[in-house]
Amino acid sequence: AQRVTQPEKLLSVFKGAPVELKCNYSYSGSPELFWYVQYSRQRLQLLLRHISRESIKGFTADLNKGETSFHLKKPFAQEEDSAMYYCALSGNDYKLSFGAGTTVTVRA
Amino acid sequence: NAGVTQNPKFQVLKTGQSMTLQCAQDMNHNSMYWYRQDPGMGLRLIYYSASEGTTDKGEVPNGYNVSRLNKREFSLRLESAAPSQTSVYFCASRLDPPETQYFGPGTRLLVL
Repeated sequence: AQRVTQPEKLLSVFKGAPVELKCNYSYSGSPELFWYVQYSRQRLQLLLRHISRESIKGFTADLNKGETSFHLKKPFAQEEDSAMYYCALSGNDYKLSFGAGTTVTVRA
Repeated sequence: NAGVTQNPKFQVLKTGQSMTLQCAQDMNHNSMYWYRQDPGMGLRLIYYSASEGTTDKGEVPNGYNVSRLNKREFSLRLESAAPSQTSVYFCASRLDPPETQYFGPGTRLLVL
């Protein structure tokens, strides 16, 4: 069975401070990991995926297979980063499993 | 390209009423998905269709049925709505695993 855990429901940081969103997963094979972002009342959109190893909007995420983690980081948070963030895992089947989500609020 | 579109955007139902949520994609994707989003629960998969002509249950299929009408369209039907089905419903599509899923704008459903 595949499972994604996001331990923090809410995260509040000040503008310019670093932000880290935790994601842990369980899966017996080699998963594909994603971070999706949902701005207020909008559709989910892909932020980044581990296979591309890109930095999007200043966010990065490293897959740590030993710790089964895929934490999302940004060194300097901006107010426009306030949103809901979902970590997701895709295995060899057609299903995508999502974590419960973390709501990030960036305060001025 | 419109991407993934959903209709309606918002609907209010009374308990026991039926309705169909519509989803269409114009990206020539093979697989399509229906999720529900509830506070503190994340997104939970209701049904998915790996390809035209096939459908499979997800995590929370009870109370729902789906139809993959053609490659573009994937509808979700509530035969007898219940208050527990009050939620935001998202449709998504992707070419094939493990490619990125693209989401529609969502349908807000309130069952009284």
